[in-house]
Amino acid sequence: DIQMTQTTSSLSASLGDRVTISCSASQGISNYLNWYQQKPDGTVKLLIYYTSSLHSGVPSRFSGSGSGTDYSLTISNLEPEDIATYYCQQYSKLPLTFGAGTKLELK
Amino acid sequence: EVQLQESGPSLVKPSQTLSLTCSVTGDSITSGYWNWIRKFPGNKLEYMGYISYSGSTYYNPSLKSRISITRDTSKNQYYLQLNSVTTEDTATYYCASYYYGSSWFAYWGQGTLVTVSA
Repeated sequence: DIQMTQTTSSLSASLGDRVTISCSASQGISNYLNWYQQKPDGTVKLLIYYTSSLHSGVPSRFSGSGSGTDYSLTISNLEPEDIATYYCQQYSKLPLTFGAGTKLELK
Repeated sequence: EVQLQESGPSLVKPSQTLSLTCSVTGDSITSGYWNWIRKFPGNKLEYMGYISYSGSTYYNPSLKSRISITRDTSKNQYYLQLNSVTTEDTATYYCASYYYGSSWFAYWGQGTLVTVSA
C-alpha cells in the first residue's frame, strides 16, 4: 500500500494567516492526490482533486500544489469556518489511502 | 443534490456481524462507485471498498476475508457487512461516492459511529 504521511498532526494559526499543510507519499503518485476537510461535527467535504483542481463551491482561498511524492494544501486567508481537520488521499493505486490528518486550530 | 445517509446499529458485540445501509438520493447507484470508509478513534481514515455501477466490487485486502458490499438498485441503497468484528472495528463509518473516471469522493454521508463492545 502507498503510505501517506502528514507530518504535522496539529497546527495553530490566527485568522487571516496563510496556512500550508503538507502531505508526502511513500512513492510517486503522479499528482493523483485529493484533499478533504472534516469539521468537528464529522462532516467531510472534498476541497481539491488531482493536486490542484478546486472542487465546485470551495472558496478560492484554498489551493493545492505538488508533484512526485510531495504535496501541499494552502489556505490563503484563514477564516473561522476553516477550523477543521484536513486529510490528503492518494488514488494512484488501490487500496486508496489517506494521510493521518492535520488538525487546524486557532491561535 | 446527491445525498448519502448511513444507518444501522450503533452497538455490535464482538464476533458478530456489523451491518450498515447507505441510502442514496439525487443519483442512481447504477452510475458511479459507491464506497465505504471508516475513521477510527484517533482520526485514522481507512478505505474499505466499493460496489460499482455494474455491481462489481473491490475490497481493501486488509479486510478481504471479512467484508461484503452489496446493493439493492430498486431501493437505491447499498450495504456493508463486516464479519467477526472486534473492538478494533470501533469507528465512524462513512459512505461516499465518486463518479466513473474520477477517484475523489465528491459526496459523503454524515457518518455513523459503531461501537464494538460486549
